[in-house]
Amino acid sequence: DTEVTQTPKHLVMGMTNKKSLKCEQHMGHRAMYWYKQKAKKPPELMFVYSYEKLSINESVPSRFSPECPNSSLLNLHLHALQPEDSALYLCASTGQSYEQYFGPGTRLTVT
Amino acid sequence: KNQVEQSPQSLIILEGKNCTLQCNYTVSPFSNLRWYKQDTGRGPVSLTIMTFSENTKSNGRYTATLDADTKQSSLHITASQLSDSASYICVVSANDYKLSFGAGTTVTVRA
Repeated sequence: DTEVTQTPKHLVMGMTNKKSLKCEQHMGHRAMYWYKQKAKKPPELMFVYSYEKLSINESVPSRFSPECPNSSLLNLHLHALQPEDSALYLCASTGQSYEQYFGPGTRLTVT
Repeated sequence: KNQVEQSPQSLIILEGKNCTLQCNYTVSPFSNLRWYKQDTGRGPVSLTIMTFSENTKSNGRYTATLDADTKQSSLHITASQLSDSASYICVVSANDYKLSFGAGTTVTVRA
């Protein structure tokens, strides 16, 4: 199983809502990532978890809150987002081979 | 500053033809270079990954080359198919976690 799954596929939320994005992998990978990607731009790194601990936070606003409940799951909690936060949010994981596997993404629209 | 530059920005080719995409990088130290294919609104899918000691790697009709001395890589697509229409992203890793992404080359294959 070389798959990273993400739910939901699409999410529309208001600026006062609280929602969560979920990511799951069962490849035994110990590093997991959140990226944000705007249209026609490369992915931008947001967070990295290594062995379930936050190792990199790329100065992401506090309205984005990551959580790694266990080695297979990664969540991104969203609160009080702005319309400019609308983007494709990608989860990824890396194993021993350094190859990074991406999930299909969640298309987020903030209204 | 670590940079990855790709050319051309976009290209259109006829089905069955070959094409070559270029990637130049200034990332240092160098760990590995990856090529990803990304369909619109989907997560990137790995095509090849090469370390310093590898200078060519193939995945079906995709062949990547790496010249670590000149810090250049290319991705050659042979006998293009309509399904090859996508964005192709060159990604260079200086360590295990942080990746430097190119802006991508958008390939359109026409019948």
